Amino acid sequence: EDQVTQSPEALRLQEGESSSLNCSYTVSGLRGLFWYRQDPGKGPEFLFTLYSAGEEKEKERLKATLTKKESFLHITAPKPEDSATYLCAVPHNYGQNFVFGPGTRLSVLP
Amino acid sequence: DAGVIQSPRHEVTEMGQEVTLRCKPISGHDYLFWYRQTMMRGLELLIYFNNNVPIDDSGMPEDRFSAKMPNASFSTLKIQPSEPRDSAVYFCASSDLAGGYNEQFFGPGTRLTVL
Repeated sequence: EDQVTQSPEALRLQEGESSSLNCSYTVSGLRGLFWYRQDPGKGPEFLFTLYSAGEEKEKERLKATLTKKESFLHITAPKPEDSATYLCAVPHNYGQNFVFGPGTRLSVLP
Repeated sequence: DAGVIQSPRHEVTEMGQEVTLRCKPISGHDYLFWYRQTMMRGLELLIYFNNNVPIDDSGMPEDRFSAKMPNASFSTLKIQPSEPRDSAVYFCASSDLAGGYNEQFFGPGTRLTVL
């Protein structure tokens, strides 16, 4: 069964304190790994797609990396506006539907 | 484009009442997804459509839930009768295949409270 887990469940950082979020997946034949950001009261917002081990994508203070079993979302020198829940998802081994992880709730304190 | 549009944004109803949630996908997208999000279970897929045809409804909790997509620009999710355990945020998302697995664009969600 396709599964996605994320750690930690919650993370509190001081502004400027870099860290990483983890997304581990179990899926037969990875067809992409997707990162989303969700702000309170809003729908998830797409950040990155990674397709193969070794691939990296960057956007402002965020960098996503992918290995054969997990993905990391590195946050460099975060700011309070980076506070959100970060979700990762993988497509099911059939069809177009995604399996979402439970998310990491990030709080960046000024 | 205005993005995925959902209505209503908030719905409060009493147990046993019928609830209808509405979604307008992004123009040109041929996939539409309905999700439910709760603290306990996270984001769960309920059903998805391709070119207005339901493809996978295995996530629909029970017969009280039904979804339709009468045309490419409109879908509904209906709960009849509603129960308190249906209280959640319901998201609609759309995407286009374009040769691979593409990101899904989510609407703002409908927060449903069943009393």
